[in-house]
Amino acid sequence: QKEVEQDPGPLSVPEGAIVSLNCTYSNSAFQYFMWYRQYSRKGPELLMYTYSSGNKEDGRFTAQVDKSSKYISLFIRDSQPSDSATYLCAMKLSGGTSYGKLTFGQGTILTVHP
Amino acid sequence: GAVVSQHPSRVICKSGTSVKIECRSLDFQATTMFWYRQFPKQSLMLMATSNEGSKATYEQGVEKDKFLINHASLTLSTLTVTSAHPEDSSFYICSARDLGEKLLFGSGTQLSVL
Repeated sequence: QKEVEQDPGPLSVPEGAIVSLNCTYSNSAFQYFMWYRQYSRKGPELLMYTYSSGNKEDGRFTAQVDKSSKYISLFIRDSQPSDSATYLCAMKLSGGTSYGKLTFGQGTILTVHP
Repeated sequence: GAVVSQHPSRVICKSGTSVKIECRSLDFQATTMFWYRQFPKQSLMLMATSNEGSKATYEQGVEKDKFLINHASLTLSTLTVTSAHPEDSSFYICSARDLGEKLLFGSGTQLSVL
């Protein structure tokens, strides 16, 4: 079993739709949770960064963490064609030697069509 | 703002040659940088952790003699793929931690070995 599971999709939605992206994880020691957006042949861009359970909103993006269920989600409201990319969830243990040692999900390919 | 700059973005080389990839932190100092590798439609895999002024720490299964890492200053880390072969063709991405807990990624280098 992988430490982080993410449905690779692909996911295709019409413009304006609400998109839900999800990851589950098995290691309860993960403390920090991130969502990255990666365009083709580009480095990942940090979208959301959360630490505690609950919701965090930033513009059209909402990150949700449920540590009890080991489940995180990213919601995109009013999706736009420019949101078409691969979305990667990532998580890591607390600091120290684990610094930077992110564990990534497989990534979900999202296409928003006009 | 803090940015991670990576060069070159794309390199094509003949089998047996060595290729150097540079990763620079702009507007911040990075005592630690990270090198990842990504195959098509797969997630990022951590290769090594680069530490300024000391030896890099390699992940299990990564050949340290094949992938030479130098972190000579607080703003520059280099990855040299020595005696490259077609199986080394991949997308290489560096990252560095900003002043907080967040990892910023470079734009990646697509290496193609003929």
